[in-house]
Amino acid sequence: ETGVTQSPTHLIKTRGQQVTLRCSSQSGHNTVSWYQQALGQGPQFIFQYYREEENGRGNFPPRFSGLQFPNYSSELNVNALELDDSALYLCASSPRAPDINEKLFFGSGTQLSVL
Amino acid sequence: AQKITQTQPGMFVQEKEAVTLDCTYDTSDPSYGLFWYKQPSSGEMIFLIYQGSYDQQNATEGRYSLNFQKARKSANLVISASQLGDSAMYFCAMVRTGANNLFFGTGTRLTVIP
Repeated sequence: ETGVTQSPTHLIKTRGQQVTLRCSSQSGHNTVSWYQQALGQGPQFIFQYYREEENGRGNFPPRFSGLQFPNYSSELNVNALELDDSALYLCASSPRAPDINEKLFFGSGTQLSVL
Repeated sequence: AQKITQTQPGMFVQEKEAVTLDCTYDTSDPSYGLFWYKQPSSGEMIFLIYQGSYDQQNATEGRYSLNFQKARKSANLVISASQLGDSAMYFCAMVRTGANNLFFGTGTRLTVIP
């Protein structure tokens, strides 16, 4: 148990729609990151929030956006869904500022299917 | 630029035997961290072990050890006394200094045979 919960576990959307994925981190975890894991691939970094401010972004278009709230919850929003957005979306948190030795605590992910 | 290579898409090991999962990396940064995570079918990524680039000794965590060869840029995971519950995907990942994200390899699927 990592103490990171994600909802929903599964989601089906159609192309062009918008989706919001949610994550609840452990109390005191000031850093949250989101990753996209396509089938058969390793996770790819989408973006990170530290104390409610965006603190880095991977190679994803602006239609991927996020928020982090004071209660250690966060959201990933994806607009104008495309078929290639079908993937497992993982949320990960940690108690401290990002560092090279900082262990991440992952949730079980949201499986998004875009039809 | 950074790169993580896991050349073994799948591995099989007999229960109670040891197994080595390969990972090579490429970075020009002098300071970096290397991680191994386990992903069972439930989807959750579980931290196994960490090795810093300046660590003199190989990391160990229970049945997991990391065979770190800095000159060869390899960070192989050794699992001793395999158990059926070890069957999962295993990912090698790296964090560079100044970066704030894990960069993952493509993973190795380990199957433990009774």
